[in-house]
Amino acid sequence: GAGVSQTPSNKVTEKGKYVELRCDPISGHTALYWYRQSLGQGPEFLIYFQGTGAADDSGLPNDRFFAVRPEGSVSTLKIQRTERGDSAVYLCASSLKTSGVNTGELFFGEGSRLTVL
Amino acid sequence: GNSVTQMEGPVTLSEEAFLTINCTYTATGYPSLFWYVQYPGEGLQLLLKATKADDKGSNKGFEATYRKETTSFHLEKGSVQVSDSAVYFCALRRETSGSRLTFGEGTQLTVNP
Repeated sequence: GAGVSQTPSNKVTEKGKYVELRCDPISGHTALYWYRQSLGQGPEFLIYFQGTGAADDSGLPNDRFFAVRPEGSVSTLKIQRTERGDSAVYLCASSLKTSGVNTGELFFGEGSRLTVL
Repeated sequence: GNSVTQMEGPVTLSEEAFLTINCTYTATGYPSLFWYVQYPGEGLQLLLKATKADDKGSNKGFEATYRKETTSFHLEKGSVQVSDSAVYFCALRRETSGSRLTFGEGTQLTVNP
């Protein structure tokens, strides 16, 4: 597709369950980011991939959160033992990385809204 | 640490009114500054950016000037339209943080006809 695609758009789960959120970035974009946006707040950084490796995972709140990007394209954000406080919109973004200097322009998907009951 | 503070919303204006959304930041060094916009039902989009002091970013009639002396990047538009109704986010990126953006809380703008 032309833009960043995220699935599912909405996910309702019960406390304690496992959840996977998927991101398909713009073709050719080597950098991929996950952000979390709580109601009334700005997006908060979670993790950044350059290719297949996590270049910066310092925003992951705890070890229940994990993300992978095995082939350098699609990424999956995994949340174990979900808690009510995990309810938020999870945003994925991708960007080009040029000659070691990033353009800074991130292209965002529409997000996956997670509700933990 | 890095932080971005935006004026509290929501902001409601009539069509053709002048818009200012204030943004101030805290960061070491010389960050790049951005305004992103989120239209209803859509993902965040880059509106404009400035990468060094005194630069002015502009797009779609919106402008913002990077003021290092006041650590500000206020968004302005001379005449808003109904189609400008959206949530606006100010953000910064430090030169040492790769592409990691730090966002403000967002300001909801509603423009009435």
